[in-house]
Amino acid sequence: AQKVTQAQTEISVVEKEDVTLDCVYETRDTTYYLFWYKQPPSGELVFLIRRNSFDEQNEISGRYSWNFQKSTSSFNFTITASQVVDSAVYFCALNLYTGANSKLTFGKGITLSVRP
Amino acid sequence: DSGVTQTPKHLITATGQRVTLRCSPRSGDLSVYWYQQSLDQGLQFLIQYYNGEERAKGNILERFSAQQFPDLHSELNLSSLELGDSALYFCASAGGGGANEQFFGPGTRLTVL
Repeated sequence: AQKVTQAQTEISVVEKEDVTLDCVYETRDTTYYLFWYKQPPSGELVFLIRRNSFDEQNEISGRYSWNFQKSTSSFNFTITASQVVDSAVYFCALNLYTGANSKLTFGKGITLSVRP
Repeated sequence: DSGVTQTPKHLITATGQRVTLRCSPRSGDLSVYWYQQSLDQGLQFLIQYYNGEERAKGNILERFSAQQFPDLHSELNLSSLELGDSALYFCASAGGGGANEQFFGPGTRLTVL
């Protein structure tokens, strides 16, 4: 069975600080997909990124960057120069590649508060 | 806006009652997923449909059922409701299976009194 662990539950930073959200996953499968979703106070879940298990390249998108390391089963998310609008709950999720059958296994989420 | 719609946005009902939550996927998406988000359980996968057929099942109670119709919209039926069923219910859609990101609707907040 697969599992996602987000050990940090709440993080509070001051605006413009950099912050890293940790994600560790467990699976016996060799083909899988990792995701990050953001849930702002309004409640919707917003897709941020997908990474497959064969692509260990780091990715940068504006102030966001992701570090995927298969050796440590981690998929960490860094926000550079955080802003108040980044305040949200961030979920890491794992999906196995099983053709048309799939389900997302989510971590418990990390509540990020960015203070002005 | 993800393109996934869910109705109603809020639902308040009493224990023992039955409710139906509705979801319309993004145009072209064949897969529909249902998730339950509660404070104690977090985000839990309930069930997946692909082009009208049930494809994957998670921690869905026997009191809950779902279906996907020929126009690809889906309904989640919750019956004999209990206080513990109070939660945010999300629908998500995707073009296919695990390789594709799932896009989530705004959710239906169910309160059972």
